[in-house]
Amino acid sequence: EVQLVESGGGLVQPGGSLRLSCAASGFTFDRYAMHWVRQAPGKGLEWVSSIGWNGASVGYADSVKGRFTISRDNAKNSLYLQMKSLRAEDTALYFCGKDLDYRYYGLDVWGQGTTVTVSS
Amino acid sequence: DIQLTQSPSFLSASVGDRVTITCRASQGITSYLAWYQQKPGKAPKLLIYAASTLQSGVPSRFSGSGSGTEFTLTISSLQPEDFATYYCQQLNSYPPFTFGPGTKVDIK
Repeated sequence: EVQLVESGGGLVQPGGSLRLSCAASGFTFDRYAMHWVRQAPGKGLEWVSSIGWNGASVGYADSVKGRFTISRDNAKNSLYLQMKSLRAEDTALYFCGKDLDYRYYGLDVWGQGTTVTVSS
Repeated sequence: DIQLTQSPSFLSASVGDRVTITCRASQGITSYLAWYQQKPGKAPKLLIYAASTLQSGVPSRFSGSGSGTEFTLTISSLQPEDFATYYCQQLNSYPPFTFGPGTKVDIK
């Protein structure tokens, strides 16, 4: 079964850091681009970051650029999102997603999400 | 950055109705557009990619069309399980891979 499982969310103070992980199983991880998408409570979907199959190509939303870093470890079938200088507006449910391809066509597999709450 | 707008933002419809949702891009994105369905408390589900390709396992009552700047998602005969929020996403120009603001389909 193709599966993505996020972890690492939690409550953090403004200015703090968190590292989200996404464990992949059931598919050949290093053949696909991967994504992070977030959803603030009661709001729509917001694309956060994407990474190519080999990690060479990465991109970030302006709202997180310079604060978040996406990475992957193909040997461990894992995707990561290092988040620093967290703000209240980063509070959201964070999903990792697998792309249909090594290029970018859409997210065909999603995790269940991990909740990040930034509050003092 | 490419912006996406969706219309309507809210739609009230009955079972059996034909429903059309429009997604417009601020500049051309060829056919790099995906559609998702999201139900409360659940992760989104991919319905359509490359503007008109039905994702495996998605019922054929869903269809997508368009290219360039204007796209549509059509549900030919709305079923009870289709009441949800629908999002488009552009994957032509990156970053960002923008999502539209969503269209909520509710029961009339």
